[in-house]
Amino acid sequence: SQTIHQWPATLVQPVGSPLSLECTVEGTSNPNLYWYRQAAGRGLQLLFYSVGIGQISSEVPQNLSASRPQDRQFILSSKKLLLSDSGFYLCARVGSVYNEQFFGPGTRLTVL
Amino acid sequence: QKEVEQNSGPLSVPEGAIASLNCTYSDRGSQSFFWYRQYSGKSPELIMFIYSNGDKEDGRFTAQLNKASQYVSLLIRDSQPSDSATYLCAVTASGYSTLTFGKGTMLLVSP
Repeated sequence: SQTIHQWPATLVQPVGSPLSLECTVEGTSNPNLYWYRQAAGRGLQLLFYSVGIGQISSEVPQNLSASRPQDRQFILSSKKLLLSDSGFYLCARVGSVYNEQFFGPGTRLTVL
Repeated sequence: QKEVEQNSGPLSVPEGAIASLNCTYSDRGSQSFFWYRQYSGKSPELIMFIYSNGDKEDGRFTAQLNKASQYVSLLIRDSQPSDSATYLCAVTASGYSTLTFGKGTMLLVSP
């Protein structure tokens, strides 16, 4: 089966600190991968997507960046967190038929 | 700009009733349509997808698509308290690898 892991599950960070969130996928090779953020009371915002190693598309310019160092690994980073970066960060992979997406368990980030 | 609109709710229905959730989209090129269920504090879970006009049934769930009206709906029959969640509508166009999500409708099923 195809499983998405996200680490860590929860994170509390001070403003101005760096960030690294990891997403790994099992059971599939070279999947399209996505990072979303869901802020309180708001919808899902697509941040980045990747169709392969080293290939990143940014949807929203901000102080976040993404990298895909390995086929099944997708990393979301920031050099300096802002209060507005708080939210629920979700990694997703694409399915094989109709571009359906499947989500990982998410990382809840609180920036204080 | 592609938009997906949903009533934020909450939509309140009694247990055993039919819940009807609606979604409209702006991009006429949209080809595939998805419904996700998201429990509070959890990640979205795909429950239905539809790509042809008409109805698609899966257990207690029925997705309905009308491309001419740019409208997609989700019916939940015999609603249960465990169906209480936020339901997200998402669409994608042919050749696109990204989905556009609505903000979701909160459903509350009372015992």
